[in-house]
Amino acid sequence: GAGVSQSPRYKVAKRGQDVALRCDPISGHVSLFWYQQALGQGPEFLTYFQNEAQLDKSGLPSDRFFAERPEGSVSTLKIQRTQQEDSAVYLCASSDRTSLGTQYFGPGTRLLVL
Amino acid sequence: RKEVEQDPGPFNVPEGATVAFNCTYSNSASQSFFWYRQDCRKEPKLLMSVYSSGNEDGRFTAQLNRASQYISLLIRDSKLSDSATYLCVGNAGNNRKLIWGLGTSLAVNP
Repeated sequence: GAGVSQSPRYKVAKRGQDVALRCDPISGHVSLFWYQQALGQGPEFLTYFQNEAQLDKSGLPSDRFFAERPEGSVSTLKIQRTQQEDSAVYLCASSDRTSLGTQYFGPGTRLLVL
Repeated sequence: RKEVEQDPGPFNVPEGATVAFNCTYSNSASQSFFWYRQDCRKEPKLLMSVYSSGNEDGRFTAQLNRASQYISLLIRDSKLSDSATYLCVGNAGNNRKLIWGLGTSLAVNP
């Protein structure tokens, strides 16, 4: 299909391990967002790209979190030295230039840090 | 205090009931609001945008009261398939960053 895809869908990591989460947005969508969603909570904004430019990273919880979108398409969220509190669903969303609030979400990556 | 607040529920209603959710926001600069729906273990999906004049989409009606800074969602003639979490969302001023409420859980029972 032509939706947002994320990989892996599930990731189990040992505490201290580095992980990389991938997002493929809808083709042509200039805006890409990363969210963290804990159980029973709404999505919490992490960071936002417009094309390859990271315009807002105010939601990244620590310097262990890093995101990039080098060619303005695929994005990777990297978490270094994972901690148990990093366990959550990481959602990626994309939107086109014209729609401010219509974001199309991927299925998410469920990260469990043991 | 969160910028967007919702009653988490759960709301348990029988099929055919009318149910209303309210949401309040604290950032008076927010211009655009939305309701998203999220099914269990699924990603959020846009349900509808919210306009100052109020808007209706079938059984769903959304309203925005800027003076009181709240948004509402009304669901008429509830269906079993309406069971989900409803997320109230506002933009952070005039940029593309969205601020999400915690969601209101709805269970429609037969």
